[in-house]
Amino acid sequence: DAKTTQPTSMDCAEGRAANLPCNHSTISGNEYVYWYRQIHSQGPQYIIHGLKNNETNEMASLIITEDRKSSTLILPHATLRDTAVYYCIVRGGSEKLVFGKGTKLTVNP
Amino acid sequence: DTGVSQNPRHKITKRGQNVTFRCDPISEHNRLYWYRQTLGQGPEFLTYFQNEAQLEKSRLLSDRFSAERPKGSFSTLEIQRTEQGDSAMYLCASSGRDRVHEQFFGPGTRLTVL
Repeated sequence: DAKTTQPTSMDCAEGRAANLPCNHSTISGNEYVYWYRQIHSQGPQYIIHGLKNNETNEMASLIITEDRKSSTLILPHATLRDTAVYYCIVRGGSEKLVFGKGTKLTVNP
Repeated sequence: DTGVSQNPRHKITKRGQNVTFRCDPISEHNRLYWYRQTLGQGPEFLTYFQNEAQLEKSRLLSDRFSAERPKGSFSTLEIQRTEQGDSAMYLCASSGRDRVHEQFFGPGTRLTVL
């Protein structure tokens, strides 16, 4: 599975959009991009995934560049409860998720 | 959907003792995963079951670790002769046929080896 690179930490003001970037320049054609988050002392939580097209669900939007070498997770109106570590993961044929260290997002009041 | 449950939530043991953790996946989920997470790191994959068959094991899973899913429902993870380096959060996740891209994680079992 391709490796991902994320900033270590980010800050966002409550009510504003949080844009979390991820680089995955070695991604293969059959590999999906996944985003999970982990709130302190809880298990990770699935957010969204995509292959080529942009995706949106009730939690977030995922923007994948045309060359698929990077993506951005967008939380449109961040709240204090969105403070968490966000993991960008690339997965192909394997069942396992390979987590990096993620981005620690802090939403400030 | 009652979620993935794990027991116990916390376990303190002395070095050299054996410990066993249990995971109850979401009912009808055929896939079950174990991960381990140490402080400041993301979760690391340990092993994966499809129904009762253990299909993938990480090199992290030494001979002291064994996992079972005897009837394709709950799973157990046993660590024999625990070492201080085994101290970590052990996470279980499950996924089903209808939402194959999502792994649903439990709250984890925190192991402390003294």
